[in-house]
Amino acid sequence: EADIYQTPRYLVIGTGKKITLECSQTMGHDKMYWYQQDPGMELHLIHYSYGVNSTEKGDLSSESTVSRIRTEHFPLTLESARPSHTSQYLCASSEPQGAGNSPLHFGNGTRLTVT
Amino acid sequence: KNQVEQSPQSLIILEGKNCTLQCNYTVSPFSNLRWYKQDTGRGPVSLTIMTFSENTKSNGRYTATLDADTKQSSLHITASQLSDSASYICVVSDRGSTLGRLYFGRGTQLTVWP
Repeated sequence: EADIYQTPRYLVIGTGKKITLECSQTMGHDKMYWYQQDPGMELHLIHYSYGVNSTEKGDLSSESTVSRIRTEHFPLTLESARPSHTSQYLCASSEPQGAGNSPLHFGNGTRLTVT
Repeated sequence: KNQVEQSPQSLIILEGKNCTLQCNYTVSPFSNLRWYKQDTGRGPVSLTIMTFSENTKSNGRYTATLDADTKQSSLHITASQLSDSASYICVVSDRGSTLGRLYFGRGTQLTVWP
C-alpha cells in the first residue's frame, strides 16, 4: 500500500495554463524528490528537498518550481505549461540515510499532457 | 561518464519460464545497486539492494547477483508469473557526496504470456 500520494493521476491541459501537481507522504520522510519519466527512458531528477524550507534543482533543467512548507507536502508548479512539458511526473521520498542506502518510495505518478 | 546500461530492452517469456535481466554500470565510486519493479501505471518499488560485499541476494522468486569487479549485476526471475510483467529498473548509487547520487538505467520491459 502506497504511503505517498500524487494527484491528479492524469491531467490534460492547454498551453499557457498554470498547474500544480500535488504530492503528499505520511511516512515522515525528510527527503523528497520529483522525477520526470518518458517512455523507454531513464528517470531524470528535476527537484529534491532535504526537509522543510529546503529545495534544490536536480540534474534535468526544468521550468517547474517546488516548495516545501510542510514535511509531508512537496507540490510542483508549472507557471505556463507547454507541449514540451508532456511527460510522467513521479514523486518520491526516502529516509534520511546517506548514499542511497534507503530505498525511494514512489507515488503512482501524474501523467501530464499539454495540448 | 557514469552510466547504467540494461539489457535486453524488452523480453517476452511464457509463464513458468525463468529469465535473467542484465545491468552493467560504470558508476564510480560505487556504493550500492538496487533493482526496482515498475508495474504499468504505478511508481517503481524496490526489490533488492546489493552492496559492494554482496554477491547474491534472494527475495522470493527474484535473485540478484553483483560482480563488483566487472561492474555487472543480474536479476534472475524463477518460475515467472503473469504478475511479473513489468519494467525492471537498475539504479546505482555513488559515494561521491553525502546525499549519494543515483544513476538510473532505462529498464527492461518484461512481458509474461500465459
